[in-house]
Amino acid sequence: QQQVKQSPQSLIVQKGGISIINCAYENTAFDYFPWYQQFPGKGPALLIAIRPDVSEKKEGRFTISFNKSAKQFSLHIMDSQPGDSATYFCAASGGGYQKVTFGIGTKLQVIP
Amino acid sequence: KAGVTQTPRYLIKTRGQQVTLSCSPISGHRSVSWYQQTPGQGLQFLFEYFSETQRNKGNFPGRFSGRQFSNSRSEMNVSTLELGDSALYLCASRSPGYTDTQYFGPGTRLTVL
Repeated sequence: QQQVKQSPQSLIVQKGGISIINCAYENTAFDYFPWYQQFPGKGPALLIAIRPDVSEKKEGRFTISFNKSAKQFSLHIMDSQPGDSATYFCAASGGGYQKVTFGIGTKLQVIP
Repeated sequence: KAGVTQTPRYLIKTRGQQVTLSCSPISGHRSVSWYQQTPGQGLQFLFEYFSETQRNKGNFPGRFSGRQFSNSRSEMNVSTLELGDSALYLCASRSPGYTDTQYFGPGTRLTVL
């Protein structure tokens, strides 16, 4: 049972373009939504995270948009660069040390 | 601070064998979680340990077990290996206090032949 649905599973974007990855969740108890970035041979690393009290969070070229009523959130990568080529995972968790549920991942390739 | 370390990085086993993977969390972190990563399923949660106690458990068969030691180091054991157990096994630690940020190790690549 996939509680966090992520799409697309693969994405090719030209350098300088905008990469958009979408996630949807079912559990309304989730209150923390992180995005992780994983390069080949490495473990995932936290990229950016949001809590549902805000609708958007921006850190450099990376922005999370959050729609609580639709139970959806998305990652936007502005001015995508070849160095952004990686697998991106969205995730969600509830309070009280609840486990983190991950999306299936999106393999992003930024071509020059 | 040193990051999360996992040993070994690569393992090749045959069906029916058992395997033990090790994880050392970031110094001061008491929570350790284990995940199985496969191309078709993404990151699947196995279990989480906190202060030597299993706090959460995913939907994996009893062949998958773990434990945590008093120094917060954790081990994961898989018995009676199956071909489908081939995967990258990731360990992650959390910082003290309530926080959802997980810090992952590089993983152990297990291949079952």
